[in-house]
Amino acid sequence: EDQVTQSPEALRLQEGESSSLNCSYTVSGLRGLFWYRQDPGKGPEFLFTLYSAGEEKEKERLKATLTKKESFLHITAPKPEDSATYLCAVQARETSGSRLTFGEGTQLTVNP
Amino acid sequence: DGGITQSPKYLFRKEGQNVTLSCEQNLNHDAMYWYRQDPGQGLRLIYYSQIVNDFQKGDIAEGYSVSREKKESFPLTVTSAQKNPTAFYLCASSIRGRFEVAQETQYFGPGTRLLVL
Repeated sequence: EDQVTQSPEALRLQEGESSSLNCSYTVSGLRGLFWYRQDPGKGPEFLFTLYSAGEEKEKERLKATLTKKESFLHITAPKPEDSATYLCAVQARETSGSRLTFGEGTQLTVNP
Repeated sequence: DGGITQSPKYLFRKEGQNVTLSCEQNLNHDAMYWYRQDPGQGLRLIYYSQIVNDFQKGDIAEGYSVSREKKESFPLTVTSAQKNPTAFYLCASSIRGRFEVAQETQYFGPGTRLLVL
């Protein structure tokens, strides 16, 4: 059974204080790992897809990296508008219909 | 603008009542999905459809039903058999859902919050 564990559950940062969110996964052959951002009361917004170990992707203050067992979402010099819940999901090779398995998310709060 | 719309934003259900949540997309995506989100839990898959007139159960399909008569639409009915329906419901779509196609990103709608009276 595919599993995704995100840590920490919640993270409070001061504006400008860089940090990382972790996504550990077990899957029977990874097809893709996805990061989403979710604001309260809204649907998840797509950020990144990572396909293979060693891959990295960046968008503004966010950088996602992937190893064979985990992914990190690095946040550099965060701003209050980066406050949100960040979701990680995996898609296994042996899956039909592009099914995703989600972690429970990390709730990030950036204080000014 | 292309995107996914869900309606209503809030929905109230009385005991014993069936209610239907709407999901429409104009992205020309083949595959559509319904997820349920509860506080402190990850998204859980209810049903998904890879093509018109075909759909499959997800991990928590009991008490729910769907139809896929049009490519653009994938309505979800929460039946009276679903004893704990209070949750945030999310619809998503992706370009193709066929098994042999690799790495397809799912895009989400704004969600419907269902509350029980």
